[in-house]
Order: sequence, then C-alpha cells, then structure tokens
Amino acid sequence: DTAVSQTPKYLVTQMGNDKSIKCEQNLGHDTMYWYKQDSKKFLKIMFSYNNKELIINETVPNRFSPKSPDKAHLNLHINSLELGDSAVYFCASSQEGSYEQYFGPGTRLTVT
Amino acid sequence: AQSVTQLGSHVSVSEGALVLLRCNYSSSVPPYLFWYVQYPNQGLQLLLKYTSAATLVKGINGFEAEFKKSETSFHLTKPSAHMSDAAEYFCAVLNNAGNMLTFGGGTRLMVKP
Repeated sequence: DTAVSQTPKYLVTQMGNDKSIKCEQNLGHDTMYWYKQDSKKFLKIMFSYNNKELIINETVPNRFSPKSPDKAHLNLHINSLELGDSAVYFCASSQEGSYEQYFGPGTRLTVT
Repeated sequence: AQSVTQLGSHVSVSEGALVLLRCNYSSSVPPYLFWYVQYPNQGLQLLLKYTSAATLVKGINGFEAEFKKSETSFHLTKPSAHMSDAAEYFCAVLNNAGNMLTFGGGTRLMVKP
C-alpha cells in the first residue's frame, strides 16, 4: 500500500507549456505539502494545505498554483514552464499534532 | 526563523566504520528535529525525530542522534556503516506552528568496501 503517491514520476516538457503533478495520500492525514528539490539537492517547501485550505505559500511564483479538491489530494499546476523549474517535486503529508511528514517518491520535472 | 546547517556535503567512510553526520540548528524555541534519508531516485524516509523527550534518539537501521542544546547540535551516528547506508541524509527543523520543515543542505554518505 502506497502511503503518498505522485504522478507522473518523470515529466519532460518544453518551455512555455503548462503541466500538472498529482499527489494522493491514503494515510488519512489532514495536511499536505509540496517541496522542491533543486539540482544541488536543496529542499525547500513551496506550499502547505490543511483541510483543503492554503496555510503556507513560500515565495513561489504565481505560475505555480496548488489545488486541493479534498483532504487526500494536493495537485500542483505550473503555467508557462521555465528552465529553472526543472527539479524534483515532492509531495508530503502529515497529521496535525504528530509532526512527522511522509513523503512521496517525487516527480522529476525536466524543462527543455 | 529557524535554520539548519549540515557540515560536510560529502562524507566517505569504510564499511564497518563509524558514521557521523553533523547537524547544527538555529531556533528561538525548543526545536523539533528530524533526520531523513533519501536513497537514489527515491523520496525521503524518516530516520528519527527529536520532540523534546529523551535527548538520545534511536531510529531505524541502527542510526541514532543526540540532541545537545548547549551545542545546538543534533548529530547522526551509526556504529558500523553498511554499504546499504550510502544515501543522502537531511537534517530538518520544524517551525513553531508545526507545519513547515526547514531542511539542511544534505550530506551524501558514501561507504567504501
């Protein structure tokens, strides 16, 4: 049973395109996150949603728009992709009060 | 604001040798601290966490970490390295609201036969 899953695992696209990454968790958690890991392995939070409401938005360009249709899903839509968006994007989830975040396998986005 | 510094972006040890990965944190309040491991092309897996209980924390795969407030450190150790321990290790601190992790830059552990 996969706790936090992401699709697709790999995404190769051209500059200017719009793409989406999907994330689902079956842990019953109420908080979900998106992190970006750059080419130097540096991890930084992008967004956090709690019960479908945006809690954290860490200086991410407006081209990135998260959407949470329900507590189990947090999708990331990216408009007008740029070369600098190439990275690995990780989804994570946690239950309020437990402090442990569970990470998905990541989506490697390559913009050419 | 909290921050985490991991000294040494690369650490190389021989199989069977002691593993020591360093992590120093900055926090204005008692921190919650975590170590995650990332194997190649995989997501992050929680190794262990410190949440203000015992200062010596034991995790999975034989790893442990000691919280030292006076040194603002949370170094990760393992007595004897295995080849399977080769991975990227991340130290992280949780913010006061409990909803955001700030990660260190990561340390790549290499294990030589």
